[in-house]
Amino acid sequence: GENVEQHPSTLSVQEGDSAVIKCTYSDSASNYFPWYKQELGKRPQLIIDIRSNVGEKKDQRIAVTLNKTAKHFSLHITETQPEDSAVYFCAASKAGGGNKLTFGTGTQLKVEL
Amino acid sequence: GAVVSQHPSRVICKSGTSVKIECRSLDFQATTMFWYRQFPKQSLMLMATSNEGSKATYEQGVEKDKFLINHASLTLSTLTVTSAHPEDSSFYICSVIKGGAEAFFGQGTRLTVV
Repeated sequence: GENVEQHPSTLSVQEGDSAVIKCTYSDSASNYFPWYKQELGKRPQLIIDIRSNVGEKKDQRIAVTLNKTAKHFSLHITETQPEDSAVYFCAASKAGGGNKLTFGTGTQLKVEL
Repeated sequence: GAVVSQHPSRVICKSGTSVKIECRSLDFQATTMFWYRQFPKQSLMLMATSNEGSKATYEQGVEKDKFLINHASLTLSTLTVTSAHPEDSSFYICSVIKGGAEAFFGQGTRLTVV
């Protein structure tokens, strides 16, 4: 089955700095890669996703890059703000082929003032 | 998007009793729903895939007789934790897939077994 690894497990940045979280996946058939933000006790919230036919996607301060050859994808958050502090999860699935999401281990992001 | 409602949001039960968690897709007919479990400070782990009108598909290591799943309609799936023990205490969360890929999650259920 799919295996998703995520690094780092914790990340502390100063407000205004950029944050980068990296994930690797094992199943070359995976074609959908979402990123979720989860606050304590709440449901995961989709912040951005990318499909395997695209190499990069951006939405305001958030961007995701995908390298299919290397089987890794990354989340980039620019101009971080205190409200960006949360746990972030990457995930991978085969859209249209079961859709089971395999999650990474999570990154606790802390944005300090 | 899709609106997914999960109930209850929190439940405390005694060891040895059973607890039922409901997951409703309010605006979307879902032939498939997914159940995840999340222990404190850990990731979401898929427990099973709930299939409307047929048996659920369980992930390796998940006891099907302990975690009973029923998906009797296109808008409702239930997860029953039978003979609950303290080690079953966790955050249980369901999801549906809409648009071919995007997952929409319920609010989650915090189960505490005492």
